Amino acid sequence: EVEMTQSPATLSVSPGERATLSCRASQRIATNLAWYQQKPGQSPRLLIYGSSIRATGIPARFSGSGSGTEFTLTISILQSEDFAVYYCQQYYDWPRTFGQGTKVEIK
Amino acid sequence: QVHLRESGPGLVKPSQTLSLTCTVSVDSFSSDTSYWNWVRQPAGKGLEWIGHVKSSGNTRYNPSLRGRVTISLDTSKKQFSLQVTSVTAEDTAMYFCARETYFYDSNGYYYFDSWGPGTLVTVSS
Repeated sequence: EVEMTQSPATLSVSPGERATLSCRASQRIATNLAWYQQKPGQSPRLLIYGSSIRATGIPARFSGSGSGTEFTLTISILQSEDFAVYYCQQYYDWPRTFGQGTKVEIK
Repeated sequence: QVHLRESGPGLVKPSQTLSLTCTVSVDSFSSDTSYWNWVRQPAGKGLEWIGHVKSSGNTRYNPSLRGRVTISLDTSKKQFSLQVTSVTAEDTAMYFCARETYFYDSNGYYYFDSWGPGTLVTVSS
């Protein structure tokens, strides 16, 4: 099983600032990685797949990068609606596995 | 546009079987590029993939559930179902159904692009 580790667990950021979230895979997964956003009481929402490809309707302030074992999600200018929990997920192999999440909170 | 919705009992007794159904509103329910999944999330915790069923009826499960899971498909009703046997308090969670789409464009991509709102299942006597 591919283990996904996210850091930090919580990120305190002011609106308008940049947020950088990290995700590490326990083995090389090429660019077989997706990112999701989850707000309280809601189901996850797909942001990024293929490590860097934005899903339909996702604003350009969200960008992803990385390959192999190290990945990054960057939110360039945080908006109020971006405060949420973010999960990375690998689809290199089954079982599909998710990171434990990074909570982006208002500083 | 794809809509998914979970349904089933919100309370299950320990040692019994948890049964949920996901109803899908989509034209391409039988598409071979769609995998129909169950994912769960204990309160305040992360996401755990449970398993999927393809339109062919083929299934794949998370080994962590140690053979307690069955996912089945009813194409005529555009539904797929989850059964988890011998439940304990550790099975208490929000259960989501989700579509995983496979897309090929020089690379193969898989992503969970549609999710139901989730249904809370509590295991308690």
